[in-house]
Amino acid sequence: DAGVIQSPRHEVTEMGQEVTLRCKPISGHDYLFWYRQTMMRGLELLIYFNNNVPIDDSGMPEDRFSAKMPNASFSTLKIQPSEPRDSAVYFCASSLRGMNTEAFFGQGTRLTVV
Amino acid sequence: DAKTTQPNSMESNEEEPVHLPCNHSTISGTDYIHWYRQLPSQGPEYVIHGLTSNVNNRMASLAIAEDRKSSTLILHRATLRDAAVYYCILRQQRTYGQNFVFGPGTRLSVLP
Repeated sequence: DAGVIQSPRHEVTEMGQEVTLRCKPISGHDYLFWYRQTMMRGLELLIYFNNNVPIDDSGMPEDRFSAKMPNASFSTLKIQPSEPRDSAVYFCASSLRGMNTEAFFGQGTRLTVV
Repeated sequence: DAKTTQPNSMESNEEEPVHLPCNHSTISGTDYIHWYRQLPSQGPEYVIHGLTSNVNNRMASLAIAEDRKSSTLILHRATLRDAAVYYCILRQQRTYGQNFVFGPGTRLSVLP
């Protein structure tokens, strides 16, 4: 397996524009996590899915953020409208069901909103 | 949610052992202790995990206190490539899923 694949790797957009980040988890994994990382706040868990169902979205900062997982092999994180304070690195991770299993992270998407 | 506490930073000399501590005094009986590290400009990567017993793998060892309120990640011989932020995380079962929250971690510097 190629691991968790995120796209794009880098995204520069203007304030007010819609941004969509994409994630392909490892095949067969039950859980998918979205994180945001900034210098100030570190790694924040935004939302996670279990078998394509959103379980906990309490980390999503505002209504401008939304995430979907239409099938087991694809998830999106959308920001609309984007703001400069959304600039961060966004990571996606996936894992099997057991708590004794490791999570695999993608390389991240570096988002810059100007 | 149970939290973990780690020192902000630590320093080690190359080729020497490193002991990275983590406190998790409110850990529940079913919580697993996981360690991840993040190298510069990369996503976090798995290091090791355990429940009650000490664990060894090719990367590191994990020593878990008998009361499970603390643990220590042991790198037996630090190399320059081990310079990273190390995160101690509790993977916790919840009603409909599993929580997996990162704290600030420990930034490890390795001196040549």
